[in-house]
Amino acid sequence: AQSVTQLDSHVSVSEGTPVLLRCNYSSSYSPSLFWYVQHPNKGLQLLLKYTSAATLVKGINGFEAEFKKSETSFHLTKPSAHMSDAAEYFCVVSDMETGGYNKLIFGAGTRLAVHP
Amino acid sequence: ETGVTQTPRHLVMGMTNKKSLKCEQHLGHNAMYWYKQSAKKPLELMFVYSLEERVENNSVPSRFSPECPNSSHLFLHLHTLQPEDSALYLCASSQRGAELDTQYFGPGTRLTVL
Repeated sequence: AQSVTQLDSHVSVSEGTPVLLRCNYSSSYSPSLFWYVQHPNKGLQLLLKYTSAATLVKGINGFEAEFKKSETSFHLTKPSAHMSDAAEYFCVVSDMETGGYNKLIFGAGTRLAVHP
Repeated sequence: ETGVTQTPRHLVMGMTNKKSLKCEQHLGHNAMYWYKQSAKKPLELMFVYSLEERVENNSVPSRFSPECPNSSHLFLHLHTLQPEDSALYLCASSQRGAELDTQYFGPGTRLTVL
């Protein structure tokens, strides 16, 4: 069975400094991986997705993630944090169900705080 | 309207009330989902509809009743709920058969059961 572990429940950075949100996955085959962001009292917004076309995936708002099969990791990074990046971030792995749809398996989330 | 919309955005109801949550997707997708997001718990998949047929019912209590009248609309009918059902209910849609079946989420309905 697929699973995903987000290694930090809370991350705090200063504005303008790099962001690193860590995610490890468990999969018996080549997975599909996503990062979603949720701002307070909002739904989930897709940041980026890994489709096996390239190991470095660029997403919206300057975020990117690198798929490392040898480490079973899919960490999310951003070179310079902005105040508006404060939100909860979810790492997600996709599992094909017998019903023919992709079942999303969510990590527990990492809450990112950005300080002035 | 674009993307996935949900109404109402906030709902307060008593345990004996009957209410419905509505979701509408404007993406031309053929699959729709209901999720429950409770505090301090991972997102829980509740129901999946694909081509308007229910393909997943993830052990959800019968006080939650989904309805998918067409590929663009999804409802969640609520009756005799419990306080522990208070949560953010998220709707999502995707295109089955696409190269990567990416789910797009609505803003959610914040439900409070008194």
